[in-house]
Amino acid sequence: SYVLTQPPSVSVAPGQTARVTCGGNKIGAKSVHWYQQKPGQAPLLVVSDDSDRPSRFPERFSGSNSGNTATLTISRVEAGDEADYYCQVWDSGSDHHVFGTGTKVTVL
Amino acid sequence: EVQLVESGGGLVKPGGSLRLSCAASEFTFSDYGMTWVRQAPGKGLQWVSSISSTSGFVFYADSVKGRFTVSRDNAKNSLYLQMNSLNAEDTGVYYCARSLGTVKTVWFDPWGQGTQVTVSS
Repeated sequence: SYVLTQPPSVSVAPGQTARVTCGGNKIGAKSVHWYQQKPGQAPLLVVSDDSDRPSRFPERFSGSNSGNTATLTISRVEAGDEADYYCQVWDSGSDHHVFGTGTKVTVL
Repeated sequence: EVQLVESGGGLVKPGGSLRLSCAASEFTFSDYGMTWVRQAPGKGLQWVSSISSTSGFVFYADSVKGRFTVSRDNAKNSLYLQMNSLNAEDTGVYYCARSLGTVKTVWFDPWGQGTQVTVSS
């Protein structure tokens, strides 16, 4: 089955840029979606289809996807961005949705 | 505002059954596929099952296939998950979510607040 690998944690100072990676075999050929989950809350869609951002999130959140790595970039990080972030793809080979292992973003 | 509200969770003994429901409002339910995702305590998100808008296509994770059945009632704007032969590994918060996307890909938005399922003797 298709596997998505994320770093367990990313730490960043306020105002700096956080990059959360999602690794998968030829993931660049798939569409990648990202979710934000804060403690005790349901996940929220952050980015769909590699780089489309819902209006609920500011332009500071962006996505890219190429080769074997997709990336969620959070620019000018704020304390409120502290959360777990998950990537997700549809694996047509198995007809399964797959989530990444999740990354905890900590704002120092 | 689009809203999804799950119910039906609770404490059940190993080998037991539970039926989860998800009530949808403020969108045309029959136009969208729907999905169940679960999260074990302290763990990540795990896709469980998806169903197309007309119930013509259903998909299951390998870990629940043969034990769980997803269904929907478009007249009642409701999604269901019948869970049988439950075991401790099924413990977690179960979320329903609306499926969006294209023929190439699907994403989930919005999500309900979740319902807790605990399997324990």
